[in-house]
Amino acid sequence: DPKIIQKPKYLVAVTGSEKILICEQYLGHNAMYWYRQSAKKPLEFMFSYSYQKLMDNQTASSRFQPQSSKKNHLDLQITALKPDDSATYFCASSQDRGLGQLYFGEGSKLTVL
Amino acid sequence: QQKVQQSPESLIVPEGGMASLNCTFSDRNSQYFWWYRQHSGEGPKALMSIFSNGDKKEGRFTAHLNKASLHVSLHIKDSQPSDSALYFCAVSNSNNRIFFGDGTQLVVKP
Repeated sequence: DPKIIQKPKYLVAVTGSEKILICEQYLGHNAMYWYRQSAKKPLEFMFSYSYQKLMDNQTASSRFQPQSSKKNHLDLQITALKPDDSATYFCASSQDRGLGQLYFGEGSKLTVL
Repeated sequence: QQKVQQSPESLIVPEGGMASLNCTFSDRNSQYFWWYRQHSGEGPKALMSIFSNGDKKEGRFTAHLNKASLHVSLHIKDSQPSDSALYFCAVSNSNNRIFFGDGTQLVVKP
């Protein structure tokens, strides 16, 4: 059974719209992350959370907003979508931030038309 | 800011051959080093870690770390077509931030 569930697996959006990517982890981990993968940047760090608190934000744009409603949830809201946002977004978790192995979900592939 | 660079960008080896992947990092305070592998259509998965200078062997995979020269490598012996994947080096520094390299695309030809 997958331990990190990302939904949806694929999504298509129009420019200017808003989407939410869902991530739930069932590993009992304290840290969660979002990464973005595109042809331009193979694995780009976006955010890290520890115990539901934002620890790192490497995303320049405020259009990307992580949301943690529970310890094992870290959703990603993207507003005013642009074609450049097209990428696969990976959620990951680890026991503690920056330590130990990262476990990745299967990704959500976003296409912005 | 930590810089993690991988070489080569892509590598083709024959089945049964040795694949050698390299990674350099810039922060001398880096503490933990991981190799991840990503098959097409999947998320990256941890392959192995190395925390101390020297070699660490796990089956056909050997990681080598030299902190003084800011270098970590991964060697895959007896490469199999199923080893074809994108390999990432990941480095964790003293601030508990994890930095990934840009990856090496490995193709093992039968």
